[in-house]
Amino acid sequence: DTAVSQTPKYLVTQMGNDKSIKCEQNLGHDTMYWYKQDSKKFLKIMFSYNNKELIINETVPNRFSPKSPDKAHLNLHINSLELGDSAVYFCASRTRGNTEAFFGQGTRLTVV
Amino acid sequence: GIQVEQSPPDLILQEGANSTLRCNFSDSVNNLQWFHQNPWGQLINLFYIPSGTKQNGRLSATTVATERYSLLYISSSQTTDSGVYFCAVYSAGKSTFGDGTTLTVKP
Repeated sequence: DTAVSQTPKYLVTQMGNDKSIKCEQNLGHDTMYWYKQDSKKFLKIMFSYNNKELIINETVPNRFSPKSPDKAHLNLHINSLELGDSAVYFCASRTRGNTEAFFGQGTRLTVV
Repeated sequence: GIQVEQSPPDLILQEGANSTLRCNFSDSVNNLQWFHQNPWGQLINLFYIPSGTKQNGRLSATTVATERYSLLYISSSQTTDSGVYFCAVYSAGKSTFGDGTTLTVKP
């Protein structure tokens, strides 16, 4: 079974649309993250949630809204998509404290 | 915030060669991980290594936390080792990735 799973794997959409990416982890971890990887492969943290509570929001536009219905899920909703939102988005999770993080397979978002 | 520098940015090797990748960080960290991003984009955990030395097959890693660096050793490289190698450090609940080392192993 996949430990951290994201859906969809690929997403192509038009500018101005609203879309969501789902993430689920079956590891029993307390903390979940969203990262953005741009075209130059740079990975930057966007959000961190601990037990459904927002911990970190790294100067991400308000059009991005994470939602955590329970500690096993952290979904990313994006409003009014722009061309610059095109990237690969990774979800990750780990237990509380200084432990190893596990990543999903990524969602490649292309805005046209 | 904490700065993470990886070197070299690019590395081309002949199959069978050995290599060392370096990760320097600017402040104390709670933990450190090495990842391999394969050509299909998957991020694969290599090592969770806040300090000390670990080995896994042809790969090994050493972190000297007091001197703020970590090294990833790849021995007898194979074409399947190609991809981008990232180190990520965790401090104050936040993770910061280095810019990666792109490794190309030629047959």
